[in-house]
Amino acid sequence: AQKVTQAQTEISVVEKEDVTLDCVYETRDTTYYLFWYKQPPSGELVFLIRRNSFDEQNEISGRYSWNFQKSTSSFNFTITASQVVDSAVYFCALLITGTASKLTFGTGTRLQVTL
Amino acid sequence: ETGVTQSPTHLIKTRGQQVTLRCSSQSGHNTVSWYQQALGQGPQFIFQYYREEENGRGNFPPRFSGLQFPNYSSELNVNALLLGDSALYLCASSSAGVTGELFFGEGSRLTVL
Repeated sequence: AQKVTQAQTEISVVEKEDVTLDCVYETRDTTYYLFWYKQPPSGELVFLIRRNSFDEQNEISGRYSWNFQKSTSSFNFTITASQVVDSAVYFCALLITGTASKLTFGTGTRLQVTL
Repeated sequence: ETGVTQSPTHLIKTRGQQVTLRCSSQSGHNTVSWYQQALGQGPQFIFQYYREEENGRGNFPPRFSGLQFPNYSSELNVNALLLGDSALYLCASSSAGVTGELFFGEGSRLTVL
């Protein structure tokens, strides 16, 4: 069975601080994908990144960066110089190849960025 | 490009009733999946439809059922509602063969009293 753990329930930072959201996953499959989604108060899930299990390169996109470490089964997400608009709930998710669109989500981390 | 739209946005039902939620997929997408998100939790996969057939299901009882129409839109039906069915129901559309690139709607928030 697959499992995604986001141990941080809620994080509060002041604008311009850097913040890292942790994600640890469990699976016995060797081929899988990892995702991060953002859920603003409006409710829809906004896709941020997809990474397959064979690509351990870290990725940077503007103020966002992701660190994938297979050795520790972690896929952490860092926001540099946080902004108030980053306030949302962030979900990490796992997809096993060949299982349709059956994403397994973590319980989410609520990020509050204040002025 | 039209995004994923869901209706209704909010609704209230009582225990034992039945509910139908609707979803229009994003233009060009032929696959629809449904997720249930309880308050404070991550979304949980209910099922997926492709070419009008269910082709993947999560751990949900048969009283959760669905349909997909020729225009790829979809319905989620829940019978014999329980208090525990209160949740945000999210629809996501995608293209077959594009792994995991789901586009979500804003959801239908169901409250069961």
